[in-house]
Amino acid sequence: EVQLVESGGGLVQPGGSLRLSCAASGFTFSSYAMHWVRQAPGKGLEYVSAISSNGGSTYYANSVKGRFTISRDNSKNTLYLQMGSLRGEDMAVYYCARVGGSGSHDYWGQGTLVTVSS
Amino acid sequence: EIVLTQSPATLSLSPGERATLSCRASQSVSSYLAWYQQKPGQAPRLLIYDASNRATGIPARFSGGGSGTDFTLTISSLEPEDFAVYYCQQRSNWPPITFGQGTRLEIK
Repeated sequence: EVQLVESGGGLVQPGGSLRLSCAASGFTFSSYAMHWVRQAPGKGLEYVSAISSNGGSTYYANSVKGRFTISRDNSKNTLYLQMGSLRGEDMAVYYCARVGGSGSHDYWGQGTLVTVSS
Repeated sequence: EIVLTQSPATLSLSPGERATLSCRASQSVSSYLAWYQQKPGQAPRLLIYDASNRATGIPARFSGGGSGTDFTLTISSLEPEDFAVYYCQQRSNWPPITFGQGTRLEIK
């Protein structure tokens, strides 16, 4: 069974940093591109970042470029999102999602909440 | 960046009725459009990919259509569990992948 489990969310002050993790199981993690998608409270879905299966290519939404870094450790079946210079508008539930053979997000984690507040 | 506009914002229907949700792209996305369902407190679930292909385990009452800039998600006969928020998403011209703002399907 495919499982994606995010962790690392929590309360952080504006300007602070946080690292999210997404532990994958039930599939060959190193064969799939992965994305981070976020959802602010009561709002819609927003693409944040993407990484290729081998980690060689990364992409970022303009809203996080230069502040967030996506990475992966295929030996640990884990995806990461290092977030820095956090702002109020970064407050959201962060989901990791697998990019399936269809090119769409076929599996999602349950999400981890990031709260940015002083 | 391709903008996806979903309509209506809210759709009020009764169980057993037919639901038709729309998604319009600001430029052609070919058939690279997906639909997701999200229930409160849950992650999104993939329903339809590449405009008209049902994802694994999705009931046949869900169908997708369209190409280019205009797409529809149809639920042929609403079940109680279908009341949720639905998002369209394009992957034609990325980065960035973009999502529509969502359509809330509520019980009338």
